[in-house]
Amino acid sequence: AQSVTQLGSHVSVSEGALVLLRCNYSSSVPPYLFWYVQYPNQGLQLLLKYTSAATLVKGINGFEAEFKKSETSFHLTKPSAHMSDAAEYFCAVTFRQGAQKLVFGQGTRLTINP
Amino acid sequence: ETGVTQTPRHLVMGMTNKKSLKCEQHLGHNAMYWYKQSAKKPLELMFVYNFKEQTENNSVPSRFSPECPNSSHLFLHLHTLQPEDSALYLCASSQDEMGLANEKLFFGSGTQLSVL
Repeated sequence: AQSVTQLGSHVSVSEGALVLLRCNYSSSVPPYLFWYVQYPNQGLQLLLKYTSAATLVKGINGFEAEFKKSETSFHLTKPSAHMSDAAEYFCAVTFRQGAQKLVFGQGTRLTINP
Repeated sequence: ETGVTQTPRHLVMGMTNKKSLKCEQHLGHNAMYWYKQSAKKPLELMFVYNFKEQTENNSVPSRFSPECPNSSHLFLHLHTLQPEDSALYLCASSQDEMGLANEKLFFGSGTQLSVL
């Protein structure tokens, strides 16, 4: 069965610093991987997705993630954090089975310090 | 604005009350979903509807009763809830239930439910 683990329930970085949010997955077949973001008092929005094309995926708001099969990872990065990046970030995994089989991680809350 | 609207935004109810959550999507999507988001837990899929037909019930207790009268509207009827049911309930939609590689979920802002 597929699963996803987000390392660190809370990450804090300074404004302008590198953002790194970790996600590792468990899957017996090639996965589809996603990062969603949830801003305060809002629902989730898709940041980016990996669907077996390029391993480096660029998303909205300057975020990107790299699929590393050997490490079963799909870490989310942004070179320079902005105050508006403060939110909760969710990694999710599925196969070609439709959205109802999307399995979410527990989420990582990102705090940006001035 | 994601095109998915949920009402009410906040709801406080007693364990003997009956209430309903409403979700409406203006995106022309065919699939709609209910998720439960509790503190410190992953999002839990509750129900899936595709073309108004329920296609997934993720072992949800019968005190939660979904209704999908058409592809644009989804309800979650609540009765005799327990305090542990307090959570953020999120509605989502997608163009279709299948073909995930070319799709994404659009989420509403959720209903924050407190059961006293």
